[in-house]
Amino acid sequence: ELKVEQNPLFLSMQEGKNYTIYCNYSTTSDRLYWYRQDPGKSLESLFVLLSNGAVKQEGRLMASLDTKARLSTLHITAAVHDLSATYFCAVDSGAGSYQLTFGKGTKLSVIP
Amino acid sequence: KAGVTQTPRYLIKTRGQQVTLSCSPISGHRSVSWYQQTPGQGLQFLFEYFSETQRNKGNFPGRFSGRQFSNSRSEMNVSTLELGDSALYLCASTTPGGFTEAFFGQGTRLTVV
Repeated sequence: ELKVEQNPLFLSMQEGKNYTIYCNYSTTSDRLYWYRQDPGKSLESLFVLLSNGAVKQEGRLMASLDTKARLSTLHITAAVHDLSATYFCAVDSGAGSYQLTFGKGTKLSVIP
Repeated sequence: KAGVTQTPRYLIKTRGQQVTLSCSPISGHRSVSWYQQTPGQGLQFLFEYFSETQRNKGNFPGRFSGRQFSNSRSEMNVSTLELGDSALYLCASTTPGGFTEAFFGQGTRLTVV
């Protein structure tokens, strides 16, 4: 059974600081996704990482994937209040199953 | 380009009733997946449909069922509702030609009283 673990689950940080969210998963997969969810809202796709060593950046967020270590990171640079949300990583079970297994999410609060 | 549309947005039902939720995927997307989100269990996969066929099913009781129509629209049904079925139900459609990205609808918030 595929397991996806995120840490930390809660993160409170000051504006302007940097931090990293970690996502570990238990079985071989080379497809990992990061989503953002605002309270009461749906999931917004942030990054799609499809191969080992993939790195993608959008604004103050950068995601990377190491399939050998079964680890993805979401790095936040110079956080701003608008980044406050819950961030989920999800791993595709593979074999064309179109089935995502999600981590429990990291609730990020950026304090002015 | 229209996104994934879920209806209704909110529902309140009584224990023992049944409910049907609807999802219209992005035009051209043929795969539709359903997920349940609760504070305790997080996001859990329910099932996935492609070309009117269920290809995968998560670990949910038989009270949860679904179907997909020829126009790729999908419905999920929950019978004999329990309090624990209260959740946000999210539908996702995936890009054609392979699973490179899933786009989620706004969800249906189901409350069972």
